[in-house]
Amino acid sequence: GAVVSQHPSRVICKSGTSVKIECRSLDFQATTMFWYRQFPKQSLMLMATSNEGSKATYEQGVEKDKFLINHASLTLSTLTVTSAHPEDSSFYICSYRLKQETQYFGPGTRLLVL
Amino acid sequence: GQNIDQPTEMTATEGAIVQINCTYQTSGFNGLFWYQQHAGEAPTFLSYNVLDGLEEKGRFSSFLSRSKGYSYLLLKELQMKDSASYLCAVKSNYQLIWGAGTKLIIKP
Repeated sequence: GAVVSQHPSRVICKSGTSVKIECRSLDFQATTMFWYRQFPKQSLMLMATSNEGSKATYEQGVEKDKFLINHASLTLSTLTVTSAHPEDSSFYICSYRLKQETQYFGPGTRLLVL
Repeated sequence: GQNIDQPTEMTATEGAIVQINCTYQTSGFNGLFWYQQHAGEAPTFLSYNVLDGLEEKGRFSSFLSRSKGYSYLLLKELQMKDSASYLCAVKSNYQLIWGAGTKLIIKP
């Protein structure tokens, strides 16, 4: 159980374009989910916390107008990187929080902005 | 400030035992997690400790001492597939604070 999917798994885009990443929980529903970013050889960096039906709470230094989060249902959330630039190239991972604060992660989306 | 320390890299031999340490200084404590992350993949949950002591789960065990701000992950009977990064994370005041991870290299 606790399967989370992300789509796409890899994306290459041109600088200035927008990219949408989907995160779905396949066999459970959860109110709270998280978006992380991970640069090579570094740990996870929390970008935002999202509760279904509410506006996301962004971490300090993360631009909410650049990283749009839509948590439309208990099983689907999207992260849109608007006007992407090469420095946005990273590994983006979503996770859902279940019991005992355990988080179940999606497989991640590798974004490369040229 | 909030800080979690783990060794950057460790090397061990297939079939052996390895202990990965994690020390933390956080303003609050509501539990400590260990995650495994293979290169290019997302983390997977290994263990959760909220009380002092040892939690055993198959080949993996996790220990916690809250008074010392210390935890370790013990991996027994190492297999090549255990080559991965191991992330320690502390829940502090409803936030999850991540360590930088320990890269474990298993040699035949």
